[in-house]
Amino acid sequence: GNSVTQMEGPVTLSEEAFLTINCTYTATGYPSLFWYVQYPGEGLQLLLKATKADDKGSNKGFEATYRKETTSFHLEKGSVQVSDSAVYFCALSITGRRALTFGSGTRLQVQP
Amino acid sequence: GAVVSQHPSRVICKSGTSVKIECRSLDFQATTMFWYRQFPKQSLMLMATSNEGSKATYEQGVEKDKFLINHASLTLSTLTVTSAHPEDSSFYICSAPLGAGGSYEQYFGPGTRLTVT
Repeated sequence: GNSVTQMEGPVTLSEEAFLTINCTYTATGYPSLFWYVQYPGEGLQLLLKATKADDKGSNKGFEATYRKETTSFHLEKGSVQVSDSAVYFCALSITGRRALTFGSGTRLQVQP
Repeated sequence: GAVVSQHPSRVICKSGTSVKIECRSLDFQATTMFWYRQFPKQSLMLMATSNEGSKATYEQGVEKDKFLINHASLTLSTLTVTSAHPEDSSFYICSAPLGAGGSYEQYFGPGTRLTVT
């Protein structure tokens, strides 16, 4: 079956620090990979995505590269802000029409 | 961008009663919608796939008689939690896919927090 494994949180960083949240996956077929963000009290928002190997998704300073050889999709940001404090979910989908398989989520807390 | 709404955003009900949650795609049609459940500080777990014009498909371990799903139209799916118990308290989230060909994106509703007392 399909599964997504994320590093456990919480991750606590100071403002302007470098962020990495690890994500690895197992999947039958060729999945599309996603990072979603959930701010406190809000619903899920798509942060970035990649649909094939070696694709790099990017948005709001966040990046993630689809690495088929390591089955990974690690999320990175060079300089985090307090406003980035949220829960980040890695997810995959075999086809876009189907439901997503989510990782357990990683809570990021950025301190001023 | 595409918008998916849920109603209500929060609901408190007494044990033994039923609660209906609505999921609407506001500016697009969705023949399929998905219902997830999220426990505090945990991930989203797929409960069922709602299919317009046919029965919902439930994931293993989800009681279909307890979580009734009706895809009434191309823009509305409802989840009814019947005979609710405190252990049903959770955050329920729906999503709908939008796209064409091989490229789709899931759009999520803001979620409904259910508290059963």
